[in-house]
Amino acid sequence: GAVVSQHPSRVICKSGTSVKIECRSLDFQATTMFWYRQFPKQSLMLMATSNEGSKATYEQGVEKDKFLINHASLTLSTLTVTSAHPEDSSFYICSASQGSVGSGNTIYFGEGSWLTVV
Amino acid sequence: GENVEQHPSTLSVQEGDSAVIKCTYSDSASNYFPWYKQELGKRPQLIIDIRSNVGEKKDQRIAVTLNKTAKHFSLHITETQPEDSAVYFCAASSNTGNQFYFGTGTSLTVIP
Repeated sequence: GAVVSQHPSRVICKSGTSVKIECRSLDFQATTMFWYRQFPKQSLMLMATSNEGSKATYEQGVEKDKFLINHASLTLSTLTVTSAHPEDSSFYICSASQGSVGSGNTIYFGEGSWLTVV
Repeated sequence: GENVEQHPSTLSVQEGDSAVIKCTYSDSASNYFPWYKQELGKRPQLIIDIRSNVGEKKDQRIAVTLNKTAKHFSLHITETQPEDSAVYFCAASSNTGNQFYFGTGTSLTVIP
């Protein structure tokens, strides 16, 4: 099946700094990518949906200026957590599809990234 | 956006018994309903999915049913085994919004 690679798998950063997480589709063109955050023992919360070449659509309550999402190519989307704080520590996971999921396209998940802000 | 609710949050069954997890959704435009199994810190694994033009789908011990009128769908696992123990998530997506929302999750424990 298709492969989505996410890096880094684990990252520790100091409070106030920024950290970038990359999500790559290795063998298909991902027109749509999704970013989720998951706290321990909780569900995957959709943060934003991004379509290649256009601005991401953020879910209500997600700060656009804090969680910068770039989907500049059909194989790469990045999530940058700016001015990170300890409460941003979480498991972040991306997913990608070749088109609209509701239209029959399969969604593929990255491995996830554990972010710890100290 | 879509609101997906999932019940129960925890479920314990004896090995060999059946397990049923239910989800409801709010957006009548939703037309794709997958189920995922997730281990802590790992990516979700798709176990079965159903689209709105089908009422039921079965794959060995796993089945999913969909009631579009009532806007709910259910996961059925028969002859449960200890290795079925995990957290299960339902999800819903629509063609119109192209968002993809997860339910709140069910922690399933199969007791040997």
